[in-house]
Amino acid sequence: DIQMTQSPSSLSASVGDRVSITCRASQSISSYLNWYQQKPGKAPKLLIYGASSLQSGVPSRFSGSGSETHFTLTISNLQPEDFANYYCQQSYNTPITFGQGTRLEIK
Amino acid sequence: EVQLLESGGGLVQPGGSLRLSCAASGFIFSTYVITWVRQAPGKGLEWVSSISGSGTSTLYADSVKGRFTISRDISKNTLYLQMNSLRAEDTAVYYCVKDRRLSLSSPDTFDYWGQGTLVTVSS
Repeated sequence: DIQMTQSPSSLSASVGDRVSITCRASQSISSYLNWYQQKPGKAPKLLIYGASSLQSGVPSRFSGSGSETHFTLTISNLQPEDFANYYCQQSYNTPITFGQGTRLEIK
Repeated sequence: EVQLLESGGGLVQPGGSLRLSCAASGFIFSTYVITWVRQAPGKGLEWVSSISGSGTSTLYADSVKGRFTISRDISKNTLYLQMNSLRAEDTAVYYCVKDRRLSLSSPDTFDYWGQGTLVTVSS
């Protein structure tokens, strides 16, 4: 199975900041990497697919980059509604695996 | 508008069974892979099982293989997850999720999620 490791596990930031979350795969997954946002008590929401493609309706302050084993989700100009949990997911092969999550908190 | 509505969750004793349903609307049900993803309380996301649009191809996580069965009724636009021999570690919110791309046979990217249904396995 492909292991996905996110860092940091938690992150404190202020409105207006720029933050980055890293996801590393245990083997090369090309660009088969997706990012999700989850708010408490809600279902996850797709933000980025194919490592860098923005899902329809997602604000352009979200961006993704990377390939092979190293990926980054960057949020520019943090807004109050961005404070949530973020997960990466590989779709290179099954079993589909997710990172353990990153909690983004307000400083 | 795409909608996925799960039902069937509840409290069940260890070793018991439960069947989850997911009613889908707003898209051509028979042309997308549909997947169950679960989340234990306070934990991360775990892929459970997926089924192809036609229903002929199914995949399972090792943790549920042999105990869970995924199926779909295209005439009713409904997905099912039959869960047998339930264990405490199966306690989670179960989400029904739709794949983003058309006509795949295996799971890829999850663009629509249901609201989830809670399964609690406890005596």
